[in-house]
Amino acid sequence: ETAVFQTPNYHVTQVGNEVSFNCKQTLGHDTMYWYKQDSKKLLKIMFSYNNKQLIVNETVPRRFSPQSSDKAHLNLRIKSVEPEDSAVYLCASSPGGYAEQFFGPGTRLTVL
Amino acid sequence: GEQVEQLPSILRVQEGSSASINCTYENSASNYFPWYKQEPGENPKLIIDIRSNMERKQTQGLIVLLDKKAKRFSLHITDTQPGDSAMYFCAANSNNRIFFGDGTQLVVKP
Repeated sequence: ETAVFQTPNYHVTQVGNEVSFNCKQTLGHDTMYWYKQDSKKLLKIMFSYNNKQLIVNETVPRRFSPQSSDKAHLNLRIKSVEPEDSAVYLCASSPGGYAEQFFGPGTRLTVL
Repeated sequence: GEQVEQLPSILRVQEGSSASINCTYENSASNYFPWYKQEPGENPKLIIDIRSNMERKQTQGLIVLLDKKAKRFSLHITDTQPGDSAMYFCAANSNNRIFFGDGTQLVVKP
């Protein structure tokens, strides 16, 4: 099966903890993305990454960082979570910038 | 400021009528405009897209229009059905950056 996979599905943690979310795509795409979708369903891009270039949304706090071992994997690390980080984090991939993005099922983060 | 503005935020229509969602963008270099549908508990999925070398595209009850001069594009759903009820997002892509609108909650009343 070719798709975008994310783990975990859900994560509940305390303020100040570090969390890491995994994303893997088996579509052979060159570009991967991380989005944050809040409770109002607003969809905000956080990072886009391919083998050559990392593009960071300048509004993303520095405690967020992407981590990639190869073009099929793009993980997201949050160093010290805050309550406003509670959201669904969606990973996506695409063949390139001007093409359809395929989204994973998302990871729902709850920060207590 | 907002890179892509999407209106309305909520749209209620009667089954069988048409629904229109409008988006505007800022960057004249934008050249790819996808539309995504997100059903409750699901991830967003592409339903239709248009590139800057086109003004109109139609597929399976969906029509997208692009006015590059006005930096405006729109989605039109003809003959809406209850299954069309969902969140819809427009997006504009330029210089390998993509920006999404804030979404439109479409409610199709039977």
